[in-house]
Amino acid sequence: GQSLEQPSEVTAVEGAIVQINCTYQTSGFYGLSWYQQHDGGAPTFLSYNALDGLEETGRFSSFLSRSDSYGYLLLQELQMKDSASYFCAPPSNTGKLIFGQGTTLQVKP
Amino acid sequence: DTGVSQNPRHKITKRGQNVTFRCDPISEHNRLYWYRQTLGQGPEFLTYFQNEAQLEKSRLLSDRFSAERPKGSFSTLEIQRTEQGDSAMYLCASSLDLGQNSPLHFGNGTRLTVT
Repeated sequence: GQSLEQPSEVTAVEGAIVQINCTYQTSGFYGLSWYQQHDGGAPTFLSYNALDGLEETGRFSSFLSRSDSYGYLLLQELQMKDSASYFCAPPSNTGKLIFGQGTTLQVKP
Repeated sequence: DTGVSQNPRHKITKRGQNVTFRCDPISEHNRLYWYRQTLGQGPEFLTYFQNEAQLEKSRLLSDRFSAERPKGSFSTLEIQRTEQGDSAMYLCASSLDLGQNSPLHFGNGTRLTVT
């Protein structure tokens, strides 16, 4: 089986830094993906960690610790447009993603 | 490349009717996935195709649901005898066959409302 835990909601102000944590339990772990979904929009790929450590892509970074079954998404210099839902999702060997309920991020002025 | 295209964008149907949705993936993508999403939940996996072969189906997918990808390009998802519980956003995604590290590209979905 598989389980994912993320906070359901996070609130932060513009310009701040926010960290969205993800703990997982899965058989056959290959890595951890992060997706962003705006209200009414399609999920879009943000990052993928296959190995332990930090991956940086502009204002977004993602971290993975395989030994702790833990990862996080770090968003810096928050902007209003970052208000969205964020999902961590470990892919299977076929690339299939199983999503949890995700974290709703609200950025306030 | 215009991304993953889904049609129709919206579908309203009466309970008991059959509906069919279409997904056109990114042209060179040989993997195709269908998901369903309800309000406040993450996308729920339904089924997966590698080219024209349907390789995986969720146990949640009842026998009223069927999907095809006849030539390994576009795919259709049919729901027979729709029920109100089928009301959801149906998302299609495609990706290249590059193992696990192959991002899924999602379409904008078909929103189904069963009255």
